[in-house]
Amino acid sequence: DGGITQSPKYLFRKEGQNVTLSCEQNLNHDAMYWYRQDPGQGLRLIYYSQIVNDFQKGDIAEGYSVSREKKESFPLTVTSAQKNPTAFYLCASSIDIPGKGDEQFFGPGTRLTVL
Amino acid sequence: QKEVEQNSGPLSVPEGAIASLNCTYSDRGSQSFFWYRQYSGKSPELIMFIYSNGDKEDGRFTAQLNKASQYVSLLIRDSQPSDSATYLCAVNSYGGSQGNLIFGKGTKLSVKP
Repeated sequence: DGGITQSPKYLFRKEGQNVTLSCEQNLNHDAMYWYRQDPGQGLRLIYYSQIVNDFQKGDIAEGYSVSREKKESFPLTVTSAQKNPTAFYLCASSIDIPGKGDEQFFGPGTRLTVL
Repeated sequence: QKEVEQNSGPLSVPEGAIASLNCTYSDRGSQSFFWYRQYSGKSPELIMFIYSNGDKEDGRFTAQLNKASQYVSLLIRDSQPSDSATYLCAVNSYGGSQGNLIFGKGTKLSVKP
């Protein structure tokens, strides 16, 4: 089955710790995205990558880091510099062909809680 | 900053009625328009896309696009309680800090039995 997987489903972090959220896709999509969603809020873009070894900051990149060493994988690290990291984190991917393949497909999400 | 606006709701309709969800966008150059459904605690799921002016029907769902008015809507006929969810409108954009899609904040729909 093709799809996007995220792990873990739930993650608890102590203040001052860095944590890494996993995102893997086997859809052969070029583009991958990380969003943050707070209760009752919309999606806010953290980082995105359109090609291996390249990525761009989204609207709320501060306190986060990413890597894109393989087409299938786009892990997100939430660093201790992120002051309010408790949120629902969503990974997505797309073919990214303007006008024909813009739609993004989402993984199931990781719920991060800072203790 | 390009924007997509939606009424946050909640929009409450009785079972069997037509639910109408609306979205406006700021970028006149946008070409692709999407509707996602998000159940509470779950990730968004793509339910409709539309590229051309007019209507596009898929089962109980109809997407409507008016590029001149920069307006896109989603109609849900014969609404069911299982349609109760938040509906996100998304519009394409390229480059910059917003990525390739700009999402609205969503409209919460409640279908009452």
